[in-house]
Amino acid sequence: QPRLVQSGPEVKQPGASVKVSCKAAGYIFSNYGISWVRQAPGQGLEWMGWFNANNGNTNYAQNLQGRVTMTADTSTSTGYMELRSLNSDDTAVYYCARGDGYFGPGTSFDYWGQGTLVTVSS
Amino acid sequence: EIVLTQSPDTLSLSPGERATLSCRASQSISGSNLGWYKQKPGQAPRLLIYAASSRATGIPDRFSGSGSGTDFTLTISRLEPEDFAVYYCHQYGDSPRTFGQGTKVEIK
Repeated sequence: QPRLVQSGPEVKQPGASVKVSCKAAGYIFSNYGISWVRQAPGQGLEWMGWFNANNGNTNYAQNLQGRVTMTADTSTSTGYMELRSLNSDDTAVYYCARGDGYFGPGTSFDYWGQGTLVTVSS
Repeated sequence: EIVLTQSPDTLSLSPGERATLSCRASQSISGSNLGWYKQKPGQAPRLLIYAASSRATGIPDRFSGSGSGTDFTLTISRLEPEDFAVYYCHQYGDSPRTFGQGTKVEIK
């Protein structure tokens, strides 16, 4: 059974950076992409981007370009999402999910991590 | 960017009733690349339907999806207590990927 386990909650000051990890198990990591989705308190889901674990390609949401980097360590089957220059609007639960990784039509997200709460506050 | 508009925002129904949720896209979604997710408070979303009409692993057959082009529907034939939640549609046919704003199914 595939499983994604994310790192714990973070509290950051405005202007700082955060790096969230997502450790995969139960499947061949390089056969699937890792997508990232965030959800602000009381709000809907926002797509952030994806990382293709097979070829290292990435695709980011335009509103996060320049601030976000998605990477992975295939030796430990772990994906990472780093977000820089944090502000209060970045306070959200960040989810990783298995799926996508294609510049054309992609895939749905069939397994999700438990979520990581990132709070940006001075 | 493809904008997904879900309706209604809230659906108030009783257990055992049928729920019909709509997701309308601002332009045609290629290859029916649309999914539906269910999210309960404090939990991660869970995939219900992919490719517009295929049930994900372990999803009961009271959940069904239909539609193509710009109009898609999620139907729950008979609501069980655990089905009261928020439902999101998601298109992955074009970039950027987008989600609908969600439909809350609440107990009447």
